[in-house]
Amino acid sequence: KQEVTQIPAALSVPEGENLVLNCSFTDSAIYNLQWFRQDPGKGLTSLLLIQSSQREQTSGRLNASLDKSSGRSTLYIAASQPGDSATYLCAVSGSARQLTFGSGTQLTVLP
Amino acid sequence: DTEVTQTPKHLVMGMTNKKSLKCEQHMGHRAMYWYKQKAKKPPELMFVYSYEKLSINESVPSRFSPECPNSSLLNLHLHALQPEDSALYLCASSAEGRPGYNEQFFGPGTRLTVL
Repeated sequence: KQEVTQIPAALSVPEGENLVLNCSFTDSAIYNLQWFRQDPGKGLTSLLLIQSSQREQTSGRLNASLDKSSGRSTLYIAASQPGDSATYLCAVSGSARQLTFGSGTQLTVLP
Repeated sequence: DTEVTQTPKHLVMGMTNKKSLKCEQHMGHRAMYWYKQKAKKPPELMFVYSYEKLSINESVPSRFSPECPNSSLLNLHLHALQPEDSALYLCASSAEGRPGYNEQFFGPGTRLTVL
């Protein structure tokens, strides 16, 4: 059974700092990995999707990498802003063709 | 249009009530999903529809009854719920009817409170 772990569970940084969020998964047989952002009480916003054949994806200040063989992904956020404060979830899609979510990293960017 | 809409935004119901949640997308997606999310937990998959047919039911109690009337619309009928069913209910959709293969787009959710 696929298990997804996100470290750290919470992170607080000053504005302007570059930061990395980590995601690991136990079964490397995945179709893709998706990073989401969730604001309190809101739905999930898709940030980046990395297919299993890709190594990384970029969107604006966000860069996500995937190392399928080691079961790891990172989300890099450049020049963080208070508006980036949210919970970030990673999810993998594997043989069951369902998304398995990590527990998330709660990010706070301090002005 | 990459939007999934959900109504209502908030719902309060008693344990004897019958209510329905509605989800709609106009992206031409052929897979639609219901998730349940408790506070400070990740979403949990409940149901998956592929080409308007139920393809996955994650052992959800029968008091939750999904329905997919057409390719754009997904309903979740609720009856005789328990207080522990209070949660944020999220709908999602993805392209090509291959559940879990393509990018999933989520709606804003319905906050359900069962009294």
